[in-house]
Amino acid sequence: AAGVIQSPRHLIKEKRETATLKCYPIPRHDTVYWYQQGPGQDPQFLISFYEKMQSDKGSIPDRFSAQQFSDYHSELNMSSLELGDSALYFCASSPRPAGNTIYFGEGSWLTVV
Amino acid sequence: TQLLEQSPQFLSIQEGENLTVYCNSSSVFSSLQWYRQEPGEGPVLLVTVVTGGEVKKLKRLTFQFGDARKDSSLHITAAQTGDTGLYLCAGLRAGNMLTFGGGTRLMVKP
Repeated sequence: AAGVIQSPRHLIKEKRETATLKCYPIPRHDTVYWYQQGPGQDPQFLISFYEKMQSDKGSIPDRFSAQQFSDYHSELNMSSLELGDSALYFCASSPRPAGNTIYFGEGSWLTVV
Repeated sequence: TQLLEQSPQFLSIQEGENLTVYCNSSSVFSSLQWYRQEPGEGPVLLVTVVTGGEVKKLKRLTFQFGDARKDSSLHITAAQTGDTGLYLCAGLRAGNMLTFGGGTRLMVKP
């Protein structure tokens, strides 16, 4: 079965640069979530989208922005990168209204040097 | 402080032993999900429990949701080395936001 696809899987950026992560949800899933997981930490909710509109906002820094496009894929844009942004970024998707089940992608490793 | 508390944080057992992982909160969740995560990979959904008191079985894994929908447990019978990994519970609140517990790192030794 198709899963949540994230790209790139690995990304190395320098401080103050910009990075963009992409997420392709499971087909027919219209809700997308972004999570950030630092080393040894739990995934922390950043932001979610439902039907291309922002649904909920978590601990997403002002330097980050995200959007969901007409084909339901989503992009997370991170600017003025800091060393502390180095983490595993997960995208997840779920079908609403059956939103109880949330499936995660493999994640994108961002390393800021 | 964590909204969801998992215990134990670390568990090292011998193959064939049984174990239980607990996930507790003072908050009520509409549902609770258990994931297993390998290093550098995304959490893989094991089960979703929705109804208070619900029990679900997945081969040697038994999941239970508390009557008040504030806590859950994961019981593994006759653990195998392949069960080694990080187990995460996550509660679902309004807006489909998942709140994760601290995770339980399980090591099953041969």
